[in-house]
Amino acid sequence: TQLLEQSPQFLSIQEGENLTVYCNSSSVFSSLQWYRQEPGEGPVLLVTVVTGGEVKKLKRLTFQFGDARKDSSLHITAAQPGDTGLYLCAGDSGGSNYKLTFGKGTLLTVNP
Amino acid sequence: GAGVSQSPSNKVTEKGKDVELRCDPISGHTALYWYRQSLGQGLEFLIYFQGNSAPDKSGLPSDRFSAERTGGSVSTLTIQRTQQEDSAVYLCASSSRVTTYEQYFGPGTRLTVT
Repeated sequence: TQLLEQSPQFLSIQEGENLTVYCNSSSVFSSLQWYRQEPGEGPVLLVTVVTGGEVKKLKRLTFQFGDARKDSSLHITAAQPGDTGLYLCAGDSGGSNYKLTFGKGTLLTVNP
Repeated sequence: GAGVSQSPSNKVTEKGKDVELRCDPISGHTALYWYRQSLGQGLEFLIYFQGNSAPDKSGLPSDRFSAERTGGSVSTLTIQRTQQEDSAVYLCASSSRVTTYEQYFGPGTRLTVT
């Protein structure tokens, strides 16, 4: 069974601070997705990383896929209250396997 | 274009009653998924449809749970004889046949069994 461990589980910071969230596994994934979920809403896809070592930037968010495609990180620069939400990583093992493995998420609160 | 829609957004039911949850996927998406999200438990896969067929029902927790999809579009998840442990948010997602790893979620149905 593939597992994705996310850390930290909870993070509360002040506006303007930087933060990094981690997603780790002992399994190799073909791709990895990051989602953000706000209260009362479904997860919203932020990014997909596919190549080992790949770095993608989305405004103040930087996503990195580990060289071995077993781990990923999300770095937020100068966090804003609008970044508050549950951040979920999900891994795809590729081939005909459509089933995503989800981490349990990091609940981020950015205080003004 | 329109995203994934789900109805109802909230459902409160008494233990033992049956409930039906509906999902309308993104137009053109052939793949459809149902997940259950409980507090602190992450997203639990329930069932996957490709077109109208469900090649993988392995995540359905018991035979009280069933799902169908008609016309390759709308799907209904039915829970019979609901139990309190069925209380959760039920999320539906859809994707294209090719990029099944990029799933787009609806807002979910919050089910409360009293």
